[in-house]
Amino acid sequence: EPEVTQTPSHQVTQMGQEVILRCVPISNHLYFYWYRQILGQKVEFLVSFYNNEISEKSEIFDDQFSVERPDGSNFTLKIRSTKLEDSAMYFCASTRSERETQYFGPGTRLLVL
Amino acid sequence: SQQGEEDPQALSIQEGENATMNCSYKTSINNLQWYRQNSGRGLVHLILIRSNEREKHSGRLRVTLDTSKKSSSLLITASRAADTASYFCATEGGSYIPTFGRGTSLIVHP
Repeated sequence: EPEVTQTPSHQVTQMGQEVILRCVPISNHLYFYWYRQILGQKVEFLVSFYNNEISEKSEIFDDQFSVERPDGSNFTLKIRSTKLEDSAMYFCASTRSERETQYFGPGTRLLVL
Repeated sequence: SQQGEEDPQALSIQEGENATMNCSYKTSINNLQWYRQNSGRGLVHLILIRSNEREKHSGRLRVTLDTSKKSSSLLITASRAADTASYFCATEGGSYIPTFGRGTSLIVHP
């Protein structure tokens, strides 16, 4: 069964550094999403992406964040200058249609020191 | 906010028993979904129930939806130790972006 994959599984970075989190959505899916989950808290929506542009974003998704689909398979989340509070698990998700179930990747655990 | 909130926050049962988790939300929804998350891992989709449905089954899982009470329940029958995980409901309104609750932490003792 096709799956959403994410790399790396874990990343440790210094405050102020840039990080890029990578996702490979399911191949025939058209809608892509990033979420984050701070340890012990709920999963929060960051951004949705369709047709090569952001379709919706939350208040969390400020100018520090950007997303890109650089080729036909990858979907990336970039955090320009990481802060301590960016430490979280970041999940990518994809779906064929926005009315259908989103399939989540295993997540990237980001730790900012 | 239409976010779902699960109840109870934690549930501890013996293998073989049934586990019931509830989710309440505040505004109208199109869909409600239940997800499972093993500790430190990704989210696994369990069941999607649409606003015009009242009950759905999948294996040992049974989900109900009462839109008049703005609530849903997830029943896991004949629980197993492997069911130990956190369970989240996620509601979707007009934008179809799921809004997650804080989850119910289920422990099933062998």
